[in-house]
Amino acid sequence: DIQMTQSPSSLSASVGDRVTITCRASQSISHYLNWYQQTPGKAPKVLIYAASTLQSGVPSRFSGSGSGTDFTLSISSLQPEDFATYYCQQSYSTPWTFGQGTKVEIK
Amino acid sequence: EVQLVQSGGGLVQPGGSLRLSCAASGFLVSDTYMSWVRQAPGKGLEVVSVIYSGGSTYYADSVKGRFTISRHNSKNTLYLQMNSLRAEDTAVYYCARDHSDGWFDPWGQGTLVTVSS
Repeated sequence: DIQMTQSPSSLSASVGDRVTITCRASQSISHYLNWYQQTPGKAPKVLIYAASTLQSGVPSRFSGSGSGTDFTLSISSLQPEDFATYYCQQSYSTPWTFGQGTKVEIK
Repeated sequence: EVQLVQSGGGLVQPGGSLRLSCAASGFLVSDTYMSWVRQAPGKGLEVVSVIYSGGSTYYADSVKGRFTISRHNSKNTLYLQMNSLRAEDTAVYYCARDHSDGWFDPWGQGTLVTVSS
């Protein structure tokens, strides 16, 4: 199975900050990388698929980049509703696997 | 509206059984890949089982031989039959549509399964 490693595991940031989360795959996964946001008690919600395609309805402050083994999720200006846990997920090779998550907390 | 509504779950003793249901609207479960993803308390996400549009299935090693995924096309509903439950199966279980590129949307609301004596 392909291992997905996110960094950092958690971070503290202020409203308005730019935040970057990284995700590394244990082997090349081309552009088959997806990002999700999960708030407590809720199901995950897809933000970005195929590494850089913004899902309909997701604010443009979210962006994704990368290919091969290294990927990033960026939030250009953190909003109060963005404090959540973010997961990457590879869809290059079954079984699909997730990173361990990055918790974004209020500083 | 495209959505998934889950039912089932609850508290069960070790060795017991439960069936989870996931009713779809806005699309046909028979036309797409459907997955069950679980999240143990305070932990990350794990794909437990997948049923492909052609009917073939995938199970994680941790549940193989104990869980069965199925769908009822006329009810447009996905199921997960869970037998021989163990404490380590305790988790919130989500159903989700698996798009052709492998991303999940929508997700069900989740249902908690607690295995404890």
